[in-house]
Amino acid sequence: LAKTTQPISMDSYEGQEVNITCSHNNIATNDYITWYQQFPSQGPRFIIQGYKTKVTNEVASLFIPADRKSSTLSLPRVSLSDTAVYYCLVGPTGGYQKVTFGTGTKLQVIP
Amino acid sequence: ETGVTQSPTHLIKTRGQQVTLRCSSQSGHNTVSWYQQALGQGPQFIFQYYREEENGRGNFPPRFSGLQFPNYSSELNVNALELDDSALYLCASSLSGQAMDTQYFGPGTRLTVL
Repeated sequence: LAKTTQPISMDSYEGQEVNITCSHNNIATNDYITWYQQFPSQGPRFIIQGYKTKVTNEVASLFIPADRKSSTLSLPRVSLSDTAVYYCLVGPTGGYQKVTFGTGTKLQVIP
Repeated sequence: ETGVTQSPTHLIKTRGQQVTLRCSSQSGHNTVSWYQQALGQGPQFIFQYYREEENGRGNFPPRFSGLQFPNYSSELNVNALELDDSALYLCASSLSGQAMDTQYFGPGTRLTVL
């Protein structure tokens, strides 16, 4: 499984766009990139998944450059309720689900 | 549609004891994965069950064991508890167990070992 590197923490003011970048230099050809969000004392929640270029859903966008060695989770106009830890995961679509979570990025939204 | 549920919510045990944690998967899901999350860390994969068979295991000793039942609910058993076993234990269910399938997590069981 590809190793990922994310910033440990980030601060943002309410209403701003937040971009969290994840590095995954040894990503394999059949690896997908998935982001989860976790609030304190809760289980992680799926946010978005992508393979290349750009993916957008009602919650976030995921930008993946052509070389796929990094990815950026973009959260538009964050609110206080977006304060959470965000995890970037990289893994193949085949085989069993041995998913590896890193330490994640702790996002603190400031009023 | 019922989400993933776990019981109990909190549990306090002493070193050397045994514990059983329970998880009910989301309706229609045949795969359950268990994770251990220490304070300030990301979830660490313990093992996965797919259609009642263990389908993969992380770096955890054999005293961590599990079961999956015909209704796809699951149990995590930990024998000979150690202080370092204190953590949030999460279970997650998914449709097929394929890597990178969306996992739906339960709220977790907070285990404290004294």
